[in-house]
Amino acid sequence: AQRVTQPEKLLSVFKGAPVELKCNYSYSGSPELFWYVQYSRQRLQLLLRHISRESIKGFTADLNKGETSFHLKKPFAQEEDSAMYYCALTSSGTYKYIFGTGTRLKVLA
Amino acid sequence: SQTIHQWPATLVQPVGSPLSLECTVEGTSNPNLYWYRQAAGRGLQLLFYSVGIGQISSEVPQNLSASRPQDRQFILSSKKLLLSDSGFYLCAWSVGFYEQYFGPGTRLTVT
Repeated sequence: AQRVTQPEKLLSVFKGAPVELKCNYSYSGSPELFWYVQYSRQRLQLLLRHISRESIKGFTADLNKGETSFHLKKPFAQEEDSAMYYCALTSSGTYKYIFGTGTRLKVLA
Repeated sequence: SQTIHQWPATLVQPVGSPLSLECTVEGTSNPNLYWYRQAAGRGLQLLFYSVGIGQISSEVPQNLSASRPQDRQFILSSKKLLLSDSGFYLCAWSVGFYEQYFGPGTRLTVT
């Protein structure tokens, strides 16, 4: 079955600590992976996508096809990183996007 | 630039009443359009998507339906609302297989 799994509903870290939000996927084709973020009272928006191999707001994510994972990482968390994070995938063979259940990140002062 | 609008922002409807939520996109042509329901702990559930006028794909059998009467207009409807239809509904658009752009959402409460 095609699925995106985010095992943590809530992740709390202290400011300055490293952050890793986990994402595992199950997909039979060649997926395109994304991380979306929703800050309080804002729209859901793209944070980064694996094909761009970019770092946004200090976050990076590496696609590991062997482990079928796309974990989101940041070496030093900031309070403004507190938000809801969703991992998602799509494929060139479909117009559908599959989202995970989301992880709420709380960065404590 | 492209923008996406949804209305209303909030809606309270009694059980058994009809529903119509509207989504429009500006600044792009022939977008792929999507309706999601967002629930705490359940993430984003894809309800419908459309790749063109009159083309609707349903992902979850339920009390809802969708229509695309114009290229940049996507409507979510119900003939008779159920309590379980309460939730936060998001419209989104994309072009090709790239990122999606989301609207501000509609909070629906069925009483």
